[in-house]
Amino acid sequence: DIVMTQTPLSSPVTLGQPASISCRSSQSLVHSDGNTYLSWLQQRPGQPPRLLIYKISNRFSGVPDRFSGSGAGTDFTLKISRVEAEDVGVYYCMQATQSLYTFGQGTKLEIK
Amino acid sequence: QVQLVQSGAEVKKPGASVKVSCKASGYTFTSYGISWVRQAPGQGLEWMGWISAYNGNTNYAQKLQGRVTMTTDTSTSTAYMELRSLRSDDTAVYYCARWGSSGGLDYWGQGTLVTVSS
Repeated sequence: DIVMTQTPLSSPVTLGQPASISCRSSQSLVHSDGNTYLSWLQQRPGQPPRLLIYKISNRFSGVPDRFSGSGAGTDFTLKISRVEAEDVGVYYCMQATQSLYTFGQGTKLEIK
Repeated sequence: QVQLVQSGAEVKKPGASVKVSCKASGYTFTSYGISWVRQAPGQGLEWMGWISAYNGNTNYAQKLQGRVTMTTDTSTSTAYMELRSLRSDDTAVYYCARWGSSGGLDYWGQGTLVTVSS
């Protein structure tokens, strides 16, 4: 299975400041169809996960443009340009390039 | 609008089986796959497997092979996940999620808490 490693595991951020989460995969996530199936999900406390970003950098419907994704191959990043109170929660990267999907451990975003 | 509505909480004894349902609406059920993901208390997300609602093809996580079965009923647009030989470490919230044409798990059910306790 592809192992997904996120850093940091916890990120205290000041409101209005940027935040960044890294995700590294144990092997390339480039699929044979040319796509890279790396997505980012947000899970607010007590809620199901919510898709933020798919295929590295595409924002899902309704996701604010302060969220952005980047990267290639095995290294990926989620950035929040200006953290708002509603962004508190746990963020997961997920790969679906290999038919056995895997998640990162999760990064807890909290407000300082 | 796309919705996935899951069945209610379950309490089971060790060794028993549980079957969780996920009723889809707001889209053509057979055009998308459904993944199942679980989350133990205070833990991260664990992918359990995927089923094509088009042809019933499945992929299961290796650690659950032999204990899990995913099925669909296209007449009611419902996906099912059955887990057998339950253990205490199967206690978790179980989610269904649609694999969207975008290339991500784009819509999620509300979750079903399964508690395994003697």
